Amino acid sequence: KAGVTQTPRYLIKTRGQQVTLSCSPISGHRSVSWYQQTPGQGLQFLFEYFSETQRNKGNFPGRFSGRQFSNSRSEMNVSTLELGDSALYLCASSLEGRAQQDTQYFGPGTRLTVL
Amino acid sequence: LAKTTQPISMDSYEGQEVNITCSHNNIATNDYITWYQQFPSQGPRFIIQGYKTKVTNEVASLFIPADRKSSTLSLPRVSLSDTAVYYCLVGGVYSSASKIIFGSGTRLSIRP
Repeated sequence: KAGVTQTPRYLIKTRGQQVTLSCSPISGHRSVSWYQQTPGQGLQFLFEYFSETQRNKGNFPGRFSGRQFSNSRSEMNVSTLELGDSALYLCASSLEGRAQQDTQYFGPGTRLTVL
Repeated sequence: LAKTTQPISMDSYEGQEVNITCSHNNIATNDYITWYQQFPSQGPRFIIQGYKTKVTNEVASLFIPADRKSSTLSLPRVSLSDTAVYYCLVGGVYSSASKIIFGSGTRLSIRP
């Protein structure tokens, strides 16, 4: 079974631009979560989607948004990019995202650099 | 969500057994304990998960005492490829107001 895939793997943007990242979950997984990882802040939860609905949201500004499609694929968008948005953006999928033991499987991430 | 405390870093040698302990004093009755491994510029990889006592799989063992206020990840006979950051997570991500907290993890360095 294929793992979580994320595209693109690397991205360079300039301040003020916007960016869209894509995530394809493991087949059959309906929950998709997004995380931002930086050296200073570590791994931080952005939001989680299930059945095309945002179910949980972390403490990030409204410039960060996402959506999920009927096939469970998800995209996240960051508008008006700032230098501090440079990070590794990780996507994780799980079956239902409800049970305690519903393990999350992470993708390889998208490395975003904002110049 | 229960906060976890782990050593910032650990060093060991190839062939040794490595034990990484995580403290989670505020663990809730329904919380599970999960460990992830992360290599640079890659997503975290699930290692093992448990609720109580001992869990073993092909790569690691997880020891959880009766009070569940701590847990120990045990990696038998480590190799250079086990050099990574290890994260301990407690609780569930998916309660109505949950936000997952990975913490700073333990940076494990294995030497020849």
